[in-house]
Amino acid sequence: DAGVIQSPRHEVTEMGQEVTLRCKPISGHDYLFWYRQTMMRGLELLIYFNNNVPIDDSGMPEDRFSAKMPNASFSTLKIQPSEPRDSAVYFCASSFSGGNTEAFFGQGTRLTVV
Amino acid sequence: GESVGLHLPTLSVQEGDNSIINCAYSNSASDYFIWYKQESGKGPQFIIDIRSNMDKRQGQRVTVLLNKTVKHLSLQIAATQPGDSAVYFCAENIFEAAGNKLTFGGGTRVLVKP
Repeated sequence: DAGVIQSPRHEVTEMGQEVTLRCKPISGHDYLFWYRQTMMRGLELLIYFNNNVPIDDSGMPEDRFSAKMPNASFSTLKIQPSEPRDSAVYFCASSFSGGNTEAFFGQGTRLTVV
Repeated sequence: GESVGLHLPTLSVQEGDNSIINCAYSNSASDYFIWYKQESGKGPQFIIDIRSNMDKRQGQRVTVLLNKTVKHLSLQIAATQPGDSAVYFCAENIFEAAGNKLTFGGGTRVLVKP
């Protein structure tokens, strides 16, 4: 397996634009996590899914952020409208059976909102 | 994806010496713990894990110790090498009614001096 695949690797956008980050988890994994990494807050859990169903989205900062998982092999994190304070590295991770095994991370998407 | 230059505690270690990285976790209900290593330009990578019914686990050059009484976790790296220079995170899994939530600590930067 190629591991968790995220796209794009880098995204630069203007304030107010919509941004969509994409993730392909490892085949067979039933948990998918979205994290944001910033200088101030470190690695924050935004939302996680189990079997394509959102379980806990309490980490999503505000309504501008939304995440979907239409099937077991694809998830998106959308920011609309984007703001400069959304600039961060966004990671997707997947695992099998959640708390029994480690989560595998993608390479991340570095988002810059100008 | 890069570790984003966090204002982290830093541990400077001479090559060949042993390193000890500490982590305090927050939830007494956490049942599974993982140490991750993050190198520049990459997502976090699994190092070693430990379940709450254990107090010690050893891997290759690494040992994790768990003290549930004081909610403390440590990672020991034997004979630290230049390739060990990275940011290290502890993560705790919290079982929720609907799923397993994996959250991260603030991280420690390890710098290995030749």
